[in-house]
Amino acid sequence: QKEVEQDPGPLSVPEGAIVSLNCTYSNSAFQYFMWYRQYSRKGPELLMYTYSSGNKEDGRFTAQVDKSSKYISLFIRDSQPSDSATYLCAMSPQGAQKLVFGQGTRLTINP
Amino acid sequence: GAGVSQSPRYKVAKRGQDVALRCDPISGHVSLFWYQQALGQGPEFLTYFQNEAQLDKSGLPSDRFFAERPEGSVSTLKIQRTQQEDSAVYLCASSLFAGPGTGELFFGEGSRLTVL
Repeated sequence: QKEVEQDPGPLSVPEGAIVSLNCTYSNSAFQYFMWYRQYSRKGPELLMYTYSSGNKEDGRFTAQVDKSSKYISLFIRDSQPSDSATYLCAMSPQGAQKLVFGQGTRLTINP
Repeated sequence: GAGVSQSPRYKVAKRGQDVALRCDPISGHVSLFWYQQALGQGPEFLTYFQNEAQLDKSGLPSDRFFAERPEGSVSTLKIQRTQQEDSAVYLCASSLFAGPGTGELFFGEGSRLTVL
């Protein structure tokens, strides 16, 4: 079993819908939680960054971390066709350098 | 340049050939990472440098893989005697500070290696 599990999708929703993306993890030492967006044939780019539990909002994006359930989420409001990409969750323990990524969820927003 | 630059963008190698992939991080960035991303998968950690010191190479899959960053800036990932299972996108990332808790990782566009 992988340390970080993420449904690969694909997920297809109409423009304007609310999108929910999720990851579960098994390592209770994870403290830093991130969401990256990766367009086709491009490198990942950081969307959201959260330390420990709680919520964080940035424009149309909201990240939630529930450490008791070992579950993190990314919500996208008013989704746009330009949001079509692969979304990767990533996490790391305190003091560690490397990130552990999920498999990525491929998302398509249909106009 | 403004971002992390990787070359070559695409490389086709015959099985058994040696390849070298170059990463030019953002100027002044202390940390440099190499990740391997297989098709349809998330990136997997290979190795980490803090300046010129290779502090973690636990993700290198075999002794055929070697990475260096001799002057603390440009890094090279070398794969000897390539095998078909080495086919993947190799991503380089850099960060201004040391550790994911202290700064954003900036990724390059990757070097796509295909081994025939």
